[in-house]
Amino acid sequence: NAGVMQNPRHLVRRRGQEARLRCSPMKGHSHVYWYRQLPEEGLKFMVYLQKENIIDESGMPKERFSAEFPKEGPSILRIQQVVRGDSAAYFCASSPPGTGGFEQFFGPGTRLTVL
Amino acid sequence: SQQGEEDPQALSIQEGENATMNCSYKTSINNLQWYRQNSGRGLVHLILIRSNEREKHSGRLRVTLDTSKKSSSLLITASRAADTASYFCAILFQGGSEKLVFGKGMKLTVNP
Repeated sequence: NAGVMQNPRHLVRRRGQEARLRCSPMKGHSHVYWYRQLPEEGLKFMVYLQKENIIDESGMPKERFSAEFPKEGPSILRIQQVVRGDSAAYFCASSPPGTGGFEQFFGPGTRLTVL
Repeated sequence: SQQGEEDPQALSIQEGENATMNCSYKTSINNLQWYRQNSGRGLVHLILIRSNEREKHSGRLRVTLDTSKKSSSLLITASRAADTASYFCAILFQGGSEKLVFGKGMKLTVNP
């Protein structure tokens, strides 16, 4: 059973461009979580999704950020019109249904650099 | 804030010594987890302790949980240079969303 997969692992964007980060959860996991880690900081929760539904987006910036987890395919975190402050590591985690997110399995992260 | 807070924020020890780091929090938890992160890398899950557990062991790791004091400690015994990393506690709070709340982390340096 492959772990949580994220791609790309590194992404470089210029200010104003769009960044699309992908997360494929572990097989059988229908809950996906996105976290952001700024340099020298801990991870901060952004959004929790189940298939086709956003359950909790309390950590998501109100503008420019969106997330989806379609019925088919990976979860996508989209950042529009990136700014330098968006430079961070973005981690995705997944958990199986019915466990209340008790144990979340993390992917390797995508490191976004905004020039 | 619900954030877990590690203490100390940085620790430097010699190989072979023990390292202890603490995590405190403010409200009732479901479970508390410890992660390790090498510089610029992903997270490695170390150990999970449930709210009804008091102590867990995994190899050279020992985690304790004191829910009355709302604190946990991670002990690494007989440290090695390879243990040099940042360590984070992450908390799943009771009754809340399924989000983990991470502390800011503690940098451990083990000198050979």
